[in-house]
Amino acid sequence: SQTIHQWPATLVQPVGSPLSLECTVEGTSNPNLYWYRQAAGRGLQLLFYSVGIGQISSEVPQNLSASRPQDRQFILSSKKLLLSDSGFYLCAWSAGLAGVGEQFFGPGTRLTVL
Amino acid sequence: GNSVTQMEGPVTLSEEAFLTINCTYTATGYPSLFWYVQYPGEGLQLLLKATKADDKGSNKGFEATYRKETTSFHLEKGSVQVSDSAVYFCALGTGGGNKLTFGTGTQLKVEL
Repeated sequence: SQTIHQWPATLVQPVGSPLSLECTVEGTSNPNLYWYRQAAGRGLQLLFYSVGIGQISSEVPQNLSASRPQDRQFILSSKKLLLSDSGFYLCAWSAGLAGVGEQFFGPGTRLTVL
Repeated sequence: GNSVTQMEGPVTLSEEAFLTINCTYTATGYPSLFWYVQYPGEGLQLLLKATKADDKGSNKGFEATYRKETTSFHLEKGSVQVSDSAVYFCALGTGGGNKLTFGTGTQLKVEL
């Protein structure tokens, strides 16, 4: 069966510090991968998605970047965090052309920028 | 473009009450439809899905029917429990599945 991992689970960082969040998927090959942010009490905002190694699509201009160095690894980064980067970050995967579009989510990372 | 509209929350119900959370959509083509549930502090879990018109998705006592004529996918449960308290998201996706379009979520609170 497929599983998706995210770490760390929680993170408290000062403004201006760098960020690296990691997501890995097991039990599937060539997944589509996604990063979402969820601000407190708000809906989901799609930040990035990737259909293959090195292929990243950005949905909104922002202070963040994403990379996919391996087929089942997706990394969210920032060089200098802003207060507005605080939120709950969710990684997800889907089967792409092999599926009907449903996505499967990781447990999330709670980021607080102080 | 695609869009999903959900009823505003929070919805507060007594245990064993009947639940309906409305969801309507706008889409090009023939989307698949999904309901996700998010418990506090957790990621989203797929609750149920329907891939074509008149399909009924069901899971854990929840049901939703894909109504193409009314472009709706309302979530229902006959008797809610306190453990159903969560945020519910309606979503649509297209085959080939690069992106889902999510509603804004509806918070459900079930009280004893």
